[in-house]
Amino acid sequence: DAGVTQSPTHLIKTRGQQVTLRCSPKSGHDTVSWYQQALGQGPQFIFQYYEEEERQRGNFPDRFSGHQFPNYSSELNVNALLLGDSALYLCASVTSGGYQFFGPGTRLTVL
Amino acid sequence: AQKVTQAQTEISVVEKEDVTLDCVYETRDTTYYLFWYKQPPSGELVFLIRRNSFDEQNEISGRYSWNFQKSTSSFNFTITASQVVDSAVYFCALSETNFGNEKLTFGTGTRLTIIP
Repeated sequence: DAGVTQSPTHLIKTRGQQVTLRCSPKSGHDTVSWYQQALGQGPQFIFQYYEEEERQRGNFPDRFSGHQFPNYSSELNVNALLLGDSALYLCASVTSGGYQFFGPGTRLTVL
Repeated sequence: AQKVTQAQTEISVVEKEDVTLDCVYETRDTTYYLFWYKQPPSGELVFLIRRNSFDEQNEISGRYSWNFQKSTSSFNFTITASQVVDSAVYFCALSETNFGNEKLTFGTGTRLTIIP
């Protein structure tokens, strides 16, 4: 059984650019959450997708958007990148019973 | 609003010593879930335990044990006979839902270093 996968592993962008990160949840898990983890901090909730809709959203600007596909995989899009967007972006695969399993993350560097 | 506090920023102990990581939470809900995760240098968050607010029984899993006390809003984590492989950042998290399947609010983490 494959775990949660994320791509790419690392990414370098410049200010003002746009980026798309991808996540595939564990088999049978239909809910995906995204988190941003700045260096030395705990992860911060961005949003959660369930049945292809955004179910819950954290305190992030509209520059952060997402999508969930029929196969439950998900994308996180960030527009107009800022230096402060540099972070580790984590995807969580969530079971209906409430267990949340994380992927290896995508480390984004904005120059 | 929900909040998780991990007051210990960094802890260092000598291998084989026992160590306890503290976690204090705030919530207005009566139904909630608490989690512990381990984050090794690779960055991936590794799930350790999930506990709901109605189950105050302590739990032991090998060298790991958890003490949940609603009276003090604490969910502390103890590693017995620590090993170098336990070196990591540990996060406590809270979910205010009936099933624990929604937003997680994390603490700032405790960096644990086990000295050989």
